[in-house]
Amino acid sequence: QKEVEQDPGPLSVPEGAIVSLNCTYSNSAFQYFMWYRQYSRKGPELLMYTYSSGNKEDGRFTAQVDKSSKYISLFIRDSQPSDSATYLCAIPASLSGGSYIPTFGRGTSLIVHP
Amino acid sequence: DTGVSQDPRHKITKRGQNVTFRCDPISEHNRLYWYRQTLGQGPEFLTYFQNEAQLEKSRLLSDRFSAERPKGSFSTLEIQRTEQGDSAMYLCASRAAGTGSYGYTFGSGTRLTVV
Repeated sequence: QKEVEQDPGPLSVPEGAIVSLNCTYSNSAFQYFMWYRQYSRKGPELLMYTYSSGNKEDGRFTAQVDKSSKYISLFIRDSQPSDSATYLCAIPASLSGGSYIPTFGRGTSLIVHP
Repeated sequence: DTGVSQDPRHKITKRGQNVTFRCDPISEHNRLYWYRQTLGQGPEFLTYFQNEAQLEKSRLLSDRFSAERPKGSFSTLEIQRTEQGDSAMYLCASRAAGTGSYGYTFGSGTRLTVV
């Protein structure tokens, strides 16, 4: 079982829609969670990170963590065509030397059409 | 500073050839990471450096792969005797010490196509 699972989509929505992107994770010990956005032919860029259960809001984006069900979500309000990208959830997996690195889900492709 | 720079952006090579990629991290970042991303998958960790020391290697990094960061600045990733399964996007990321798993800055990657 992978440490973090994500539906690859694609998810196609009209402009202005509310988008919900989801991931499940396997290890209840993870303390914080990240969402990255990756445009075509670009590297991932950090969108949001959140430490605790509950919601964290940043503009049109809201990250939500439910530790009891090991479920993380990203909501995008008033979606725009410029939001079309792949959204990757990530957890901080530990390396053998004790460092932590982002370990990614496979990403969900989002298409927002005008 | 223009962020993490990777060169070349795209490399097409014949099976069995050797290829080398370069990554220039953000100058004040002492940690540098290599990831590989295949189509439809998320990036997978390959190896990382703290300054010039290579501290960790993934089991994905077969003996045909070697990475260096000789002066603690830029890094190179070499693949010897390339195979079609090596076709992927190779991503480099850097971060400063103390910024945690959310402090990574990724480059735009080198897309390798082995024909």
